[in-house]
Amino acid sequence: DTAVSQTPKYLVTQMGNDKSIKCEQNLGHDTMYWYKQDSKKFLKIMFSYNNKELIINETVPNRFSPKSPDKAHLNLHINSLELGDSAVYFCASSQAGISTDTQYFGPGTRLTVL
Amino acid sequence: AQTVTQSQPEMSVQEAETVTLSCTYDTSESDYYLFWYKQPPSRQMILVIRQEAYKQQNATENRFSVNFQKAAKSFSLKISDSQLGDAAMYFCAYRNPGKGGGADGLTFGKGTHLIIQP
Repeated sequence: DTAVSQTPKYLVTQMGNDKSIKCEQNLGHDTMYWYKQDSKKFLKIMFSYNNKELIINETVPNRFSPKSPDKAHLNLHINSLELGDSAVYFCASSQAGISTDTQYFGPGTRLTVL
Repeated sequence: AQTVTQSQPEMSVQEAETVTLSCTYDTSESDYYLFWYKQPPSRQMILVIRQEAYKQQNATENRFSVNFQKAAKSFSLKISDSQLGDAAMYFCAYRNPGKGGGADGLTFGKGTHLIIQP
């Protein structure tokens, strides 16, 4: 079974549309994250959720809104998509207090905005 | 804010040889964690090795080992007996200890593209 899964793996859409990316982890972790990897492969944290509470929001535009229905899921909703939102988005999870809180990543979602 | 620097955008090594990837970081914290992640063309982020700053002993995982120099804020990755499957982007990452039960995000370097020559 996949530990951290994301859907969809590829997403192509037009500028101005609203889209969502779903993430689920079956590791029993209490913290989940969203990262963005740009075209130069640079990875940056966007959000962190611990037990359904937002911990980090690293100057991400308001068009991005994370939603966590329970601690196994962290979805990313993006409104009014822009060309600059094209990137690979990674979900990750970890368990606070255990083994350096190592983060385990999903397979990524490649978002292309046309 | 913490920063992580990988000064080698690309490295090339012959199969079966040893290669070392460099990483330096900047922090005012005394307790933190360091990681190396591998990203093959499949784009999956795979944990290679991790190091707790309070541990003096360098971490080792099979053919992968680190040289952790806390005073110099250096965390290099050595890959011994390089294999074709080691070809990937390698990212060095830093994290503060979690506070209040939550966990900080990782701060990544820009990555090193490792090429394995057959």
